[in-house]
Amino acid sequence: QVQLQESGPGLVKPSQTLSLTCTVSGGPIYRGGYHWTWIRQHPGKGLEWIGYIYSGGTSYNPSLKSRVSMSLDTSKNQLSLKLTSVTAADTAVYYCARAPYSSSTIFDQWGQGTLVTVSS
Amino acid sequence: QSVLTQPPSASGTPGQRVIISCSGSSSNIGSNTVNWYQQVPGTAPKLLIYSNNQRPSGVPDRFSGSKSGTSASLAISGLQSEDEADYYCAAWDDSLGGVFGTGTKVTVL
Repeated sequence: QVQLQESGPGLVKPSQTLSLTCTVSGGPIYRGGYHWTWIRQHPGKGLEWIGYIYSGGTSYNPSLKSRVSMSLDTSKNQLSLKLTSVTAADTAVYYCARAPYSSSTIFDQWGQGTLVTVSS
Repeated sequence: QSVLTQPPSASGTPGQRVIISCSGSSSNIGSNTVNWYQQVPGTAPKLLIYSNNQRPSGVPDRFSGSKSGTSASLAISGLQSEDEADYYCAAWDDSLGGVFGTGTKVTVL
């Protein structure tokens, strides 16, 4: 059973870069077939798709594309998210999740989520 | 930035049937499959229905999904207290990427 675990700073200052890592256990991320995805949820609000990464590339939410980058570290079995120039509007719970190539919104495995607060 | 519209709330008494709608457009639901998630507050969402009407292993058969045109629905039959949660639809949008519904809070009266 694949498990995902997010980690990173819980507090980021405005204008700085938010950096999160998702460690995957129970299976190698380099094995084809999955889009490794980041999703966020603003406090008390709905879910927002940030984007995904896989061995063949990335796809980002157009509204965040100018500030987002994702990467894979196959040696550590991790995926990472960077979001630049953050503001209070980026305060949210950030989830990593897995979706098969066949449908990029079938998120069958999720991390537990990590709250990131943007504040000075 | 939710492009899929759901009613904000739905409710029923134990044993009743509750239906949640999800309205989209030709660029998302109209051309791609719909998935549903259940989220108990404070926890990560859980896949409930995929590919419009398929249940993952372990999901009770009182949960069912359907799709017609640019809309989809999730039905909960035989409502139980543990069904009290937030429910989200999701689909791929050909221009925007992954999109979620606005979410529906289900209350068991």
